[in-house]
Amino acid sequence: AQSVTQPDIHITVSEGASLELRCNYSYGATPYLFWYVQSPGQGLQLLLKYFSGDTLVQGIKGFEAEFKRSQSSFNLRKPSVHWSDAAEYFCAVYTNDYKLSFGAGTTVTVRA
Amino acid sequence: EAGVTQFPSHSVIEKGQTVTLRCDPISGHDNLYWYRRVMGKEIKFLLHFVKESKQDESGMPNNRFLAERTGGTYSTLKVQPAELEDSGVYFCASSQDAGGRETQYFGPGTRLLVL
Repeated sequence: AQSVTQPDIHITVSEGASLELRCNYSYGATPYLFWYVQSPGQGLQLLLKYFSGDTLVQGIKGFEAEFKRSQSSFNLRKPSVHWSDAAEYFCAVYTNDYKLSFGAGTTVTVRA
Repeated sequence: EAGVTQFPSHSVIEKGQTVTLRCDPISGHDNLYWYRRVMGKEIKFLLHFVKESKQDESGMPNNRFLAERTGGTYSTLKVQPAELEDSGVYFCASSQDAGGRETQYFGPGTRLLVL
């Protein structure tokens, strides 16, 4: 079955530093992959998605993610984090039966 | 355009009571999904409506959970009777069409605590 793994439960990063969140997927064919973010008190917001084509995907809020088939990964990056990036981030893969399968989430803390 | 809305935002009930959660999808979205996140676990799929019909309810935990979508508009998820393990965040999402290329837009969730 399609699934994703987020190895890091919690990451702390300094404001202005770069951020990389890991996501590994399990899927036989080319997966449809998503990154969502949940800020405190908010719903899940789509940051970016990958279906096919260019393996580097640009998203909102300055985020990007790179699809690497050889590593079964879809890591999320941001060159310089802002305090407002403190949130929980979820990687997800679309399954064949119309639902999303989510990773456990990574909580990002931004320190001044 | 209004997003997906959910009501209530929080609910605290005692074991054995009944709770009904409501979701209003984005207008015109035929597909509506319920997901749940139990404390410390992944967000898990519960069920999928296409208009008023249940397309897939394979994720529903047991028969204490009943989901409806009257007239293909808003949806309700009733838990009766609630148990302690039902505590968590219940998310609703909607999409115009189904399929991997369709973005599912999520609501803010309802935080349910069963005491």
